[in-house]
Amino acid sequence: DAGITQSPRHKVTETGTPVTLRCHQTENHRYMYWYRQDPGHGLRLIHYSYGVKDTDKGEVSDGYSVSRSKTEDFLLTLESATSSQTSVYFCAISESKGRGTGELFFGEGSRLTVL
Amino acid sequence: GQQLNQSPQSMFIQEGEDVSMNCTSSSIFNTWLWYKQDPGEGPVLLIALYKAGELTSNGRLTAQFGITRKDSFLNISASIPSDVGIYFCAGRIQGAQKLVFGQGTRLTINP
Repeated sequence: DAGITQSPRHKVTETGTPVTLRCHQTENHRYMYWYRQDPGHGLRLIHYSYGVKDTDKGEVSDGYSVSRSKTEDFLLTLESATSSQTSVYFCAISESKGRGTGELFFGEGSRLTVL
Repeated sequence: GQQLNQSPQSMFIQEGEDVSMNCTSSSIFNTWLWYKQDPGEGPVLLIALYKAGELTSNGRLTAQFGITRKDSFLNISASIPSDVGIYFCAGRIQGAQKLVFGQGTRLTINP
């Protein structure tokens, strides 16, 4: 158990509505990540954080924003959900090793369906 | 973006058989990680590799960091039903911060 909790685990929403997914960690790790997983695409990085209030974009960041106001929480927001954002979202955490990220530990995922 | 080529994409084997899968790239990596994902769950870290040529085992699983630093291999010996799942490789390119993931190998075992 990597001490990561994602909520909600399942959500169905309608196009155009805002959605926020929450990731909570109890490990006090510096780095937190949001990935999406889709068939044929594997895991793709949306945004990541390297400290409180320090975030950066990943490879598929359009349509998403994030916030990290305290070490243990990393929020992913879809301001206006679209059907293309139907996916399974995974939060991950890591503690840096050397100059970069060490091993990533994943949460159990949040399945989002946008109708 | 940068991707790893993971193969095979799927495998159908008999229980008790050995399994091999690999990831390759045109870039040089300084970290290789292997994950397993069960249905409805998040990926779980199996093995981490940090040095070229490194060979590491975790029970029946053995992974190697390729000597060229552009590939990695995962072997599973004497497969059992609970080995079913999707296996992902992930690597960190030398000089880069973030990990890149392979697209996964789906393993199915016939009892």
